[in-house]
Amino acid sequence: EVQVVQSGAEVKKSGESLKISCKGSGYRFASYWIGWVRQMPGKGLEWMGIIYPGDSDTRYSPSFQGQVTISVDKSITTAYLQWSSLKASDTAMYYCARGLGSGWFDYWGQGTLVTVSS
Amino acid sequence: DIQMTQSPSSLSASVGDRVTITCRASRDISNNLAWYQQKPGKVPKLLIYAASILQSGVPSRFSGSGSGTDFNLTISTLQPEDVATYYCQKYDSAPWTFGQGTKVEIK
Repeated sequence: EVQVVQSGAEVKKSGESLKISCKGSGYRFASYWIGWVRQMPGKGLEWMGIIYPGDSDTRYSPSFQGQVTISVDKSITTAYLQWSSLKASDTAMYYCARGLGSGWFDYWGQGTLVTVSS
Repeated sequence: DIQMTQSPSSLSASVGDRVTITCRASRDISNNLAWYQQKPGKVPKLLIYAASILQSGVPSRFSGSGSGTDFNLTISTLQPEDVATYYCQKYDSAPWTFGQGTKVEIK
């Protein structure tokens, strides 16, 4: 059974760093993209970027380039989204999802709520 | 980057109505379009990919059409459990942009 499981909710202060995780199981992890999607409170879905675990090929949305880092450790079938210095505006739900080769997301994680206080 | 524009932003319809949501791309994306449903407080769910292919397990009252720049998601007979926000997403090339969403409510 395909599963995508994210790490738990985080409460941080502005300026702190953070790394959240997304573990895939039940499928050949290296052969499918993993994407990250932001949803700010009461707002729509925003595509942040994707990574291909097989070769770590990474693509970012221009809106998030330089603001976050996407990485992967295929030995433990886990992808990561990290911030070096959080802002209050990073408060949101973050989803990871498995991306099929052509681009759509078929399996989604449960979401990680990140709350950043100033 | 290609922009994705959905219309309407919200709609209210009666149970049993036929509902159509439109998604327009700012440039030709062929059939590289997916539709998702997000119920309140829940994780998004894939409904349709390649503009018109129904994901396994999705009720047949959902259908997708279109190619190039103009796409539609149709719910043939609206049900109470279809209350949700619907998003289109293009994936011809990165960034795989989402539309801004269409909120569907029951009248």
